[in-house]
Amino acid sequence: EIVLTQSPGTLSLSPGEKATLSCRASPSLSSSYLAWYQQRPGQAPRLLIFGASNRATGIPDRFSGSGSGTDFTLTISGLEPEDFAVYYCQQYGRSPWTFGQGTKVEIK
Amino acid sequence: QVQLQESGPGLVKPSETLSLTCTVSGASVSGYYWSWLRQSPGKGLEWIGYIYYSGSTNYNPSLKSRAAISVDTSKKQLSLRLSSVSAADTAVYFCARFFRGFDSWGQGTLVTVSS
Repeated sequence: EIVLTQSPGTLSLSPGEKATLSCRASPSLSSSYLAWYQQRPGQAPRLLIFGASNRATGIPDRFSGSGSGTDFTLTISGLEPEDFAVYYCQQYGRSPWTFGQGTKVEIK
Repeated sequence: QVQLQESGPGLVKPSETLSLTCTVSGASVSGYYWSWLRQSPGKGLEWIGYIYYSGSTNYNPSLKSRAAISVDTSKKQLSLRLSSVSAADTAVYFCARFFRGFDSWGQGTLVTVSS
């Protein structure tokens, strides 16, 4: 099973700042089958990024993904008020599909 | 746009079988993978398994063969059965479509396992 470890657990930032979220895979993902999701309280997760770096339909370009192998990053350039939420990475390259434990982006 | 809606009992007794249905609207079931996932405070998001519209399935081995997913393409419904439930199965259960990631989700339904 591929274990995804997200860091930090909580990120305290102000609106307009840049957020950098990390997702580390062990063992390595041999493909770039990694996705990122945003989850607001009381809602289902929303797909942001697939294939490590491709924005899903309707996702603003302030969201970007990068990485391969063991290290993946989600960057939010210029936080908007609606971006304060929990973010999860998920791999679908090897069964069982697994999720990271989440990073909470909170208002500082 | 595709919409998914979960339905089923919110309370299940220990050792019994949890049964949920997900109704799909706004899109065809054909050509996609459909999954069940769950989320509990203690374990975060967990993928339960998927079914392809043709009927082939794949499950998370952590559930020790207790899960069964089926699809009725004519009714545009998928179903989850989870047997021998315990308190550890208390969670919000989601159905979702998989297409380069889980691109559409239901709102989720809370299932509590308690006597």
